[in-house]
Amino acid sequence: AQTVTQSQPEMSVQEAETVTLSCTYDTSESDYYLFWYKQPPSRQMILVIRQEAYKQQNATENRFSVNFQKAAKSFSLKISDSQLGDAAMYFCAYFSQGAQKLVFGQGTRLTINP
Amino acid sequence: EAQVTQNPRYLITVTGKKLTVTCSQNMNHEYMSWYRQDPGLGLRQIYYSMNVEVTDKGDVPEGYKVSRKEKRNFPLILESPSPNQTSLYFCASSTRTGQETQYFGPGTRLLVL
Repeated sequence: AQTVTQSQPEMSVQEAETVTLSCTYDTSESDYYLFWYKQPPSRQMILVIRQEAYKQQNATENRFSVNFQKAAKSFSLKISDSQLGDAAMYFCAYFSQGAQKLVFGQGTRLTINP
Repeated sequence: EAQVTQNPRYLITVTGKKLTVTCSQNMNHEYMSWYRQDPGLGLRQIYYSMNVEVTDKGDVPEGYKVSRKEKRNFPLILESPSPNQTSLYFCASSTRTGQETQYFGPGTRLLVL
């Protein structure tokens, strides 16, 4: 069964600095998709970034980028120029093509210090 | 506006009283799914549906039922709720399969006494 592990329950960063959130996953599949979702205090789940496993190029969305290491089964999220609005819970997720399900990590709570 | 809606947003009920949480999307999405979120556990999939009349179990289906009679609606039914089903529930949808970006509803907070 696929599992997703986020080893950092909480992280904090100074406003305008860069922070990296870690995520590792376990799978025997070769074709899959990875996601980072953001959950602010409103509880709404918002997609941050999506990565297709067959693509070697790391996905980027404005200040958000990933470091996808397929062999190491690692999928970290880098947030550059952190802003107060980035404060949220961040979830890493793996989509299994075989099981057709999205498996989430436990989440990392990110605090931005002004 | 493209969105996923859930009703009710908040619900307090008692053990054994049947309830339904509705989910509707206006994006003509084929794939829909239900998740529950509990502290320290992230989100776990309850059921999903690839299309009308096609549903399948996720990781935690016990105590829940779903139906997909229309493309836009995917209600979650708790026939006999128990306190361990107290949770935050999310409905989500995506274009064709779950590999695409899933759009989440606002969540339903359920308390079973």
